[in-house]
Amino acid sequence: GQQVMQIPQYQHVQEGEDFTTYCNSSTTLSNIQWYKQRPGGHPVFLIQLVKSGEVKKQKRLTFQFGEAKKNSSLHITATQTTDVGTYFCAGPNNNNDMRFGAGTRLTVKP
Amino acid sequence: KAGVTQTPRYLIKTRGQQVTLSCSPISGHRSVSWYQQTPGQGLQFLFEYFSETQRNKGNFPGRFSGRQFSNSRSEMNVSTLELGDSALYLCASSWDATPFPQYFGPGTRLLVL
Repeated sequence: GQQVMQIPQYQHVQEGEDFTTYCNSSTTLSNIQWYKQRPGGHPVFLIQLVKSGEVKKQKRLTFQFGEAKKNSSLHITATQTTDVGTYFCAGPNNNNDMRFGAGTRLTVKP
Repeated sequence: KAGVTQTPRYLIKTRGQQVTLSCSPISGHRSVSWYQQTPGQGLQFLFEYFSETQRNKGNFPGRFSGRQFSNSRSEMNVSTLELGDSALYLCASSWDATPFPQYFGPGTRLLVL
């Protein structure tokens, strides 16, 4: 079945450094969603990408959807301690239920 | 607008017991999905309900069941609990059925002893 793979599993950065997490699907996705989960918290919806090659920005966060709609990335510029958490991508499978990647846990050293 | 609420927030049960978890979606949201989150398996889809009907079900045994009421509130039930059922159970609501963006509740942390 459709799988959503996410790398890296962990990323530790110095505050001010950039961060990128990548998401790959074995099948074409109709859309991809990104969520952030703070330690001890619950996933919070960040953004949804629908179009091939789409790029969206939210302040220091840049989201991209690949041309083939099989991969996506989230890039954070100049990380801050408030960026700490686990970032998940999610895409609908053939049954139209959301499949989440394993997540990338970001830690930021002040 | 109030967010998704889940009750109870914490629960301790013993093997063989059953448990019912409750979720109240954001007002106006018609879809409710349930997920199991564990450190080893990540976020696993359990099922989705829309207009009181189960739309999809994940790869979980029949001990896991759910339902949705006419006011969109949802419950999930786990019978004959096993140690491996210890997890954070998250409910998420969305305005319409998947793949609309989902808004998660704080979760119910279940510990099975």
